[in-house]
Amino acid sequence: GENVEQHPSTLSVQEGDSAVIKCTYSDSASNYFPWYKQELGKGPQLIIDIRSNVGEKKDQRIAVTLNKTAKHFSLHITETQPEDSAVYFCAASKTGNQFYFGTGTSLTVIP
Amino acid sequence: DVKVTQSSRYLVKRTGEKVFLECVQDMDHENMFWYRQDPGLGLRLIYFSYDVKMKEKGDIPEGYSVSREKKERFSLILESASTNQTSMYLCASTPGDGPYEQYFGPGTRLTVT
Repeated sequence: GENVEQHPSTLSVQEGDSAVIKCTYSDSASNYFPWYKQELGKGPQLIIDIRSNVGEKKDQRIAVTLNKTAKHFSLHITETQPEDSAVYFCAASKTGNQFYFGTGTSLTVIP
Repeated sequence: DVKVTQSSRYLVKRTGEKVFLECVQDMDHENMFWYRQDPGLGLRLIYFSYDVKMKEKGDIPEGYSVSREKKERFSLILESASTNQTSMYLCASTPGDGPYEQYFGPGTRLTVT
């Protein structure tokens, strides 16, 4: 089956700096790569996703890049703000009923 | 707005009790999922269902069962709760013919004493 690895497990940045979280996957058939943000006491919520026919996608301060050859994808958050502090999960899927998650990154933005 | 609700936010049960966790979604999604979330382990799939009365085992089904009698409702059952089932349980749903975004409920923190 698919194996998704996520690094780092914890990340602290100064407000205004950029944050980068990286994930690798093992199954070359995976074609959908979502990123979720989980705030304290809440369920994960999608912040951005990318499909395998695209190399990069941006949404304001958030971007995701995908390298299919190397089987890795990354989340980039620019101009970080304290409200970006949360746990972030990457995931990979090739069907609609199996999603494989990374182990999560706890991001702290220091004001 | 898609809404996934879970019956309890916090639950405390005793070892050996039968425990029911309920999940309801309001967007007519075909697929529903139960995950367990533990620190350092991410989200691990317990069971998923792709249609009423249909279910598939995930990565960690031992000690759990599920029921889906109606499209909008997916129940997780702990037949005889044990202390190692103390965890956060997350329900999610997604449309069929995906993959598409999963919509998660707020989670149920279950403590088994």
